[in-house]
Amino acid sequence: IAGITQAPTSQILAAGRRMTLRCTQDMRHNAMYWYRQDLGLGLRLIHYSNTAGTTGKGEVPDGYSVSRANTDDFPLTLASAVPSQTSVYFCASSGGPDTDTQYFGPGTRLTVL
Amino acid sequence: GQNIDQPTEMTATEGAIVQINCTYQTSGFNGLFWYQQHAGEAPTFLSYNVLDGLEEKGRFSSFLSRSKGYSYLLLKELQMKDSASYLCAVLDSNYQLIWGAGTKLIIKP
Repeated sequence: IAGITQAPTSQILAAGRRMTLRCTQDMRHNAMYWYRQDLGLGLRLIHYSNTAGTTGKGEVPDGYSVSRANTDDFPLTLASAVPSQTSVYFCASSGGPDTDTQYFGPGTRLTVL
Repeated sequence: GQNIDQPTEMTATEGAIVQINCTYQTSGFNGLFWYQQHAGEAPTFLSYNVLDGLEEKGRFSSFLSRSKGYSYLLLKELQMKDSASYLCAVLDSNYQLIWGAGTKLIIKP
């Protein structure tokens, strides 16, 4: 692995189903983030984690949960998906020598029907 | 509230120069970032400004005026591969990134 990986690449999901988006980084960055990106809007922060064992809420946390059991992994769970959660989801991390620069994974395109 | 403004779309000609502006109103300021995002791909880091002035990096330069809440990204010798969206983001007092909606740059031959 080099950088950040996300899985799946894309997913179509029925409303009401539970879904976990996976994110793994191998850069030993302390901080990790989940964003959603919708057409015409900027990236919006869902949840973040400044270090393993801690998480915080971003701008649009409702309907999403996260955990940070270790440095490398930061999964995002939709407990009961709704159509308004249709979006592209990006995971990012920061904490290298350029401490505040965020590096992004390739994204997950999620469609909720 | 916090706000980042940038033009929705710009068009420029291959080989020319283009300036993409960004104005911001945020609770605190700990730096301004520019990212490039090609269609269907992830944002990639271009530049970071925390002090006033111009930072040059090859064909790309970024300028910051903290007193005016203003930045621009200057792209020289435009190439077709520069067609992308350019995202402006400000690190606020809580060290959270506040993102603009992005400027879609279209390069014509």
